[in-house]
Amino acid sequence: NAGVTQTPKFQVLKTGQSMTLQCAQDMNHNSMYWYRQDPGMGLRLIYYSASEGTTDKGEVPNGYNVSRLNKREFSLRLESAAPSQTSVYFCASSSGTGFNEKLFFGSGTQLSVL
Amino acid sequence: LAKITQPISMDSYEGQEVNITCSHNNIATNDYITWYQQFPSQGPRFIIQGYKTKVTNEVASLFIPADRKSSTLSLPRVSLSDTAVYYCLVAGGSQGNLIFGKGTKLSVKP
Repeated sequence: NAGVTQTPKFQVLKTGQSMTLQCAQDMNHNSMYWYRQDPGMGLRLIYYSASEGTTDKGEVPNGYNVSRLNKREFSLRLESAAPSQTSVYFCASSSGTGFNEKLFFGSGTQLSVL
Repeated sequence: LAKITQPISMDSYEGQEVNITCSHNNIATNDYITWYQQFPSQGPRFIIQGYKTKVTNEVASLFIPADRKSSTLSLPRVSLSDTAVYYCLVAGGSQGNLIFGKGTKLSVKP
C-alpha cells in the first residue's frame, strides 16, 4: 500500500507558467484535499473534494483550480503561477464519513515560483 | 469554524513528559479533536483523536475537559525523535471544516 502519492516532489516555475500537481490514493477513500504550508502559517486548506464528482473551496482557493478525476485522483492546477504561490503543497485523503475524519497525507511537493 | 490557538514552540529534555495545550473556545457539538505530528520534509501523520474525557494510545494521551474548550496532548518520556511540529485540528461534520492550527514546534534536547 503506497497510501497517498504526490508528483512531482520538487518544481521550479517562472511567473506566469502553469502546472498541475498530481495526487493519487489507494485506500479507497471518498474525500481528498489540497493544503499549502508556509512558514508560520501552518497548513491551509486550498480545495477539497468530499466525494467523487464534487469539489469545494477551502480557506485559500484563489489562483488554483482542482479536478477530481476519479475516486483515486485529485489534481491541483496553477494556471498562471505567482511568487506568492511558492510553498509546500500537501495532498491528503480521508474515508469521508464526516464526524471523526482522520487524514492521510502525501509527502509533499515543494514549489518555487521565480 | 473553531478558532484554534496553540503555542508556537516548546522546549523539553529527553525523558520528560511534555504537555501541549490547544485552545478551541468555539468548538461545535459535532467537532472531534485530532492531533498530528510532522517531521521535516514529510507530511503530517495522525497521532490521536478524541471527543471528550481522556484517550490513550501507544504514543500519547489526549485530555479533554468537560467543556471541551481546550485539549492537552501529553507525550510521556520524550526522546530526541519526538522533535517535530504538532498540529491540533478541531473539526467535524464537513470535510471543509478540516482546518489546522498553526502548529507547535517541539524541540527535545539531550
